[in-house]
Amino acid sequence: GNSVTQMEGPVTLSEEAFLTINCTYTATGYPSLFWYVQYPGEGLQLLLKATKADDKGSNKGFEATYRKETTSFHLEKGSVQVSDSAVYFCALGGNQFYFGTGTSLTVIP
Amino acid sequence: DGGITQSPKYLFRKEGQNVTLSCEQNLNHDAMYWYRQDPGQGLRLIYYSQIVNDFQKGDIAEGYSVSREKKESFPLTVTSAQKNPTAFYLCASSISAKNTEAFFGQGTRLTVV
Repeated sequence: GNSVTQMEGPVTLSEEAFLTINCTYTATGYPSLFWYVQYPGEGLQLLLKATKADDKGSNKGFEATYRKETTSFHLEKGSVQVSDSAVYFCALGGNQFYFGTGTSLTVIP
Repeated sequence: DGGITQSPKYLFRKEGQNVTLSCEQNLNHDAMYWYRQDPGQGLRLIYYSQIVNDFQKGDIAEGYSVSREKKESFPLTVTSAQKNPTAFYLCASSISAKNTEAFFGQGTRLTVV
């Protein structure tokens, strides 16, 4: 069946450091892939998405590339800010959504 | 403004009581979902509905019930049969159940005492 495996957290980085959060998936067919972000006490917000192989989703300096050969959709940002502190979820689309367990990111000044 | 509204944001109930969580969307989306989130955990699917008057059980449906009588509304009832109901509940919707992104409400934190 479909599933998402996401890098365990928590992750703590200094401001302006490079961020990578790994995400791999198992799926049949050609699902869309998503990254969501959750701030404390709130719902999830869509950060970026990719709908087919080799697509790159990007938003607010974050990027992720849909890699079918490695079944991966790793999230990257070149220079994180304190305001990026949140929990990040990788997700797989289809008839229903499959979410990873989330990675907590804390950015310290 | 278009979006998903969950109410209330905080809810307290005594053990043994049923409670209904509201979820309304004005995005004209066909599909709606309910998830449960426990501290430090991911999202677990309770129920989903791809179209009005139809819904399917998710991974943890026991002790919960839903209805989908109107396109814009998908209320969740947490029954007394749910053994550990204290959690953060998230409602979401998508244009269809075919690979389109989900939009989430702000969540309802249910505490059972």
